Amino acid sequence: GAGVSQSPRYKVAKRGQDVALRCDPISGHVSLFWYQQALGQGPEFLTYFQNEAQLDKSGLPSDRFFAERPEGSVSTLKIQRTQQEDSAVYLCASSLDGTGSYEQYFGPGTRLTVT
Amino acid sequence: GDSVTQMEGPVTLSEEAFLTINCTYTATGYPSLFWYVQYPGEGLQLLLKATKADDKGSNKGFEATYRKETTSFHLEKGSVQVSDSAVYFCARKNTGFQKLVFGTGTRLLVSP
Repeated sequence: GAGVSQSPRYKVAKRGQDVALRCDPISGHVSLFWYQQALGQGPEFLTYFQNEAQLDKSGLPSDRFFAERPEGSVSTLKIQRTQQEDSAVYLCASSLDGTGSYEQYFGPGTRLTVT
Repeated sequence: GDSVTQMEGPVTLSEEAFLTINCTYTATGYPSLFWYVQYPGEGLQLLLKATKADDKGSNKGFEATYRKETTSFHLEKGSVQVSDSAVYFCARKNTGFQKLVFGTGTRLLVSP
């Protein structure tokens, strides 16, 4: 079946612009995660949803970052007033249930470049 | 806090050589441990995992053993192939928590 998909795959934004990144998880997956991967680094956790509830947003770096999953399926990560330090690959992952027992499946990522 | 430390790369090997990529973790909580692989142009994929001390995870000829006494989870393969060239990430997840904590990744380059 289809895996996790993300769009757009590449996004170039001028500093100060707002951006919205979309994640389509595997159908039926309860848990959804966002990670940020800076160049040459490992992914870092941003936020976690179980269905439509955002249960952990401890990794969001500032109040410019906002994520939602209103119907418990597709999720959007929004970054307001982008800064150069926001340049990174944004990864979405989904998992079958909310127990943490199942594998996280990752999407291909959205590469954001802020100029 | 919770962290994972990996050896820096790149690791450059000839085909059929023995591979070890070191990974250590901070001894907080009772984590599950993972190795993820990122092939060029592709997303992260789970390679193997171990959920408790002395467990051995294995997949595609790769192995890693959860060593509590040395807080390590080193990745090994007896004979690497060119197709194993990728970036390998060690990661942990504490019991009762959902998020993965990753190391910085180790690039492996295998030449024919």
